[in-house]
Amino acid sequence: KQEVTQIPAALSVPEGENLVLNCSFTDSAIYNLQWFRQDPGKGLTSLLLIQSSQREQTSGRLNASLDKSSGRSTLYIAASQPGDSATYLCAVSSGNTPLVFGKGTRLSVIA
Amino acid sequence: DAGVIQSPRHEVTEMGQEVTLRCKPISGHNSLFWYRQTMMRGLELLIYFNNNVPIDDSGMPEDRFSAKMPNASFSTLKIQPSEPRDSAVYFCASSPGGHPQHFGDGTRLSIL
Repeated sequence: KQEVTQIPAALSVPEGENLVLNCSFTDSAIYNLQWFRQDPGKGLTSLLLIQSSQREQTSGRLNASLDKSSGRSTLYIAASQPGDSATYLCAVSSGNTPLVFGKGTRLSVIA
Repeated sequence: DAGVIQSPRHEVTEMGQEVTLRCKPISGHNSLFWYRQTMMRGLELLIYFNNNVPIDDSGMPEDRFSAKMPNASFSTLKIQPSEPRDSAVYFCASSPGGHPQHFGDGTRLSIL
């Protein structure tokens, strides 16, 4: 059974810092991996989707990498801003099966 | 694009009552997912549909939970009878064939 772990559970950084969020998964036979953002009281917004054949994806200040063989992904946020404060969730899919989510990392960017 | 629409946004009811949560997926999406989110267990898949047909309901916790998708534009998740441990945020998501999924804003359910 696939399990997804995110470390740390919470992170607080000053504005302007670059930061890395970590995600690990137990079964490396994945179809794709997604990073989501969740704001308080809101649903999830998809940030980046990496197919199993890809190594990374970039969108603006966000860069997600995937090392399938080691069961790891990282989300890099450059020049963090207070508006980046949210919970970030990692999720993996194996084939056509639904997503399995980690519990998320709660990020606070302090102005 | 209206996005995935869930109702109600908040529901507070007494134990034993029937609860019905509603979801309108994005037009054209043929996959629909119901999730439950709690602090302890995170986000868990309850059930998902492809082309209005339930594919996997192994995440439905008990027989008290049931879900239907009578047509491509509407789904319900019903809990009868409700219990305090059902308190959580319930999310609906839809997708054009699996990925990526688009989420609604959720229904915050409190069972007293």
